[in-house]
Amino acid sequence: QVQLVQSGAEVKKPGASVKVSCKASGYTFTGYYMHWVRQAPGQGLEWMGWINPKSGDTNYAQKFQGRVTMTRDTSISTAYMELSRLRSDDTAVYYCARMTVIAPTALDYWGKGTLVTVSS
Amino acid sequence: DIQMTQSPSSLSASVGDRVTITCRATQSISKYLNWYQQKPGKAPKLLIYAASSLESGVPSRFSGSGSGTDFTLTISSLQPEDFATYYCQQSYRTPYTFGQGTKLEIK
Repeated sequence: QVQLVQSGAEVKKPGASVKVSCKASGYTFTGYYMHWVRQAPGQGLEWMGWINPKSGDTNYAQKFQGRVTMTRDTSISTAYMELSRLRSDDTAVYYCARMTVIAPTALDYWGKGTLVTVSS
Repeated sequence: DIQMTQSPSSLSASVGDRVTITCRATQSISKYLNWYQQKPGKAPKLLIYAASSLESGVPSRFSGSGSGTDFTLTISSLQPEDFATYYCQQSYRTPYTFGQGTKLEIK
């Protein structure tokens, strides 16, 4: 069965960086794009970007350009999302989710989320 | 960016009711529209993709329709487990924006 297992909760100080991992199993890792979506407390869903695990190509939302880096390690079927220069409003649950490459495209499996708390 | 607007933002309904949630895009997105259900403390779950295709395992009381800029999610007969927040998302062009959500509460 498809599983996306994310790393544990993090507490960071403003200005620091955080790196969240997402280990995939139950499917061909390179066959699906991996997306990252975040959700601030009590708020809606915000799309951050995707990585193509096969090529390493990425596409980031303009809002996060320059602060986010998505990478992958195909040898262990794991995707990573690193966010730098953290601010208090980056406090959120960060989700990884896979999306089919071929249309129709949707986020069909999600990780359980990683809570990142930014606080001094 | 394509903006997605859902209405209503919240909705009170009773078990057995028929409920419709709408989602409007600021430009045509063809049928690249997905619906997700999220319960408190849980990850979103895909319900409908490509505007009207039911994801495997999702009950048939859920249905979606629309194309272009206007879309609807309908729950034909609300069950207790359907009380949750629902989000639409366009996958036509990045950034793949979400609607602000519709919270469905028990009346």
